[in-house]
Amino acid sequence: GENVEQHPSTLSVQEGDSAVIKCTYSDSASNYFPWYKQELGKRPQLIIDIRSNVGEKKDQRIAVTLNKTAKHFSLHITETQPEDSAVYFCAASSGGYQKVTFGIGTKLQVIP
Amino acid sequence: SAVISQKPSRDICQRGTSLTIQCQVDSQVTMMFWYRQQPGQSLTLIATANQGSEATYESGFVIDKFPISRPNLTFSTLTVSNMSPEDSSIYLCSVVRTSSYEQYFGPGTRLTVT
Repeated sequence: GENVEQHPSTLSVQEGDSAVIKCTYSDSASNYFPWYKQELGKRPQLIIDIRSNVGEKKDQRIAVTLNKTAKHFSLHITETQPEDSAVYFCAASSGGYQKVTFGIGTKLQVIP
Repeated sequence: SAVISQKPSRDICQRGTSLTIQCQVDSQVTMMFWYRQQPGQSLTLIATANQGSEATYESGFVIDKFPISRPNLTFSTLTVSNMSPEDSSIYLCSVVRTSSYEQYFGPGTRLTVT
């Protein structure tokens, strides 16, 4: 089955700096890579996703990149703000109606 | 996105008892899943709830312990049976809309077993 590795497990950045979270996956059939943000006590929220036919996708201060050859994908948050503090999960699936496999999560702390 | 509700939002139960968690979605969805998330941990898939048939369980999870029903396309239940303190966790249902890759989560049920 799919195995998703995520690092770092914790990340502290100063407000305004950038944050990068990296993930690798094992199943070459995976073609859908969502990212979730989970604030304390709340449900995971889908914040951005990327499909294997795209190398990069941006949404305001958030961007994801995908390298299919190396089987890794990354989340980039620019101009971080205190409200970006949360746990971020990467995930991978073979898309459509297939189950999603999650990474262990990265606890991001943005220091004002 | 999808509007997903879960009941109860939290419960404290005694060892040896069972709890049934309900998940309701505002519109028809293709896939419904049940996850467990222990404090500070990632999301672990328990099973895929199949409409009108037996759920598909992941390794380490069995039907006798976590029976699941899905009588229609918008509703599912997960029962945690014969509970022990190790079952204390947050249980989340999740859905994938028809013709979409996007997966959304319910608000979760926080279960404490004493």
